[in-house]
Amino acid sequence: AQTVTQSQPEMSVQEAETVTLSCTYDTSESDYYLFWYKQPPSRQMILVIRQEAYKQQNATENRFSVNFQKAAKSFSLKISDSQLGDAAMYFCAYRSSLREAGSYQLTFGKGTKLSVIP
Amino acid sequence: DTEVTQTPKHLVMGMTNKKSLKCEQHMGHRAMYWYKQKAKKPPELMFVYSYEKLSINESVPSRFSPECPNSSLLNLHLHALQPEDSALYLCASSQASTGRQETQYFGPGTRLLVL
Repeated sequence: AQTVTQSQPEMSVQEAETVTLSCTYDTSESDYYLFWYKQPPSRQMILVIRQEAYKQQNATENRFSVNFQKAAKSFSLKISDSQLGDAAMYFCAYRSSLREAGSYQLTFGKGTKLSVIP
Repeated sequence: DTEVTQTPKHLVMGMTNKKSLKCEQHMGHRAMYWYKQKAKKPPELMFVYSYEKLSINESVPSRFSPECPNSSLLNLHLHALQPEDSALYLCASSQASTGRQETQYFGPGTRLLVL
């Protein structure tokens, strides 16, 4: 079974600075997908970014980028020019490329709570 | 449009009540999910519907009863709940396809309190 580990329960960053959230995972599969979701105190889970394992190029979405190290099974999220609205719980998630019972399940890490200091 | 809607936003119920949570999406997705989330924890998968058929039931107690009337709607019927069932209930949907497009999109959740 796959596991996802987020080793930083809480982090903080100054507004306008850069912060990196860590995520490691364990899998025996070669093809899979990785996601970062953000959950603000308003509680809706919002997709931040996704990465296909077969792509060597790191995904980017505006101020959000990932450092995907397949051999090391590492998938960190970098947030540049941090804004107050970035304060949230961030979950790293893994999805196998193998279909299980007609759908794809996500395996979540325990989350990292990010605070942004004005 | 990546919107999943859920009603109600908040629900308070007694242990003898019967209530239902509703989830709706109009993205043409064919997989829909119910998750339970406790505070400061990741979501826990409860049920998965794929093409309107229940494909995964993660050993959820029978006091939770899911229903998928059509491809756009997902309900969760609640009966005789326990206080420990108090949580945020999240609905999600996805295309149920292969590849990169298979991404789950979440609704805003229903905050449930069982007294």
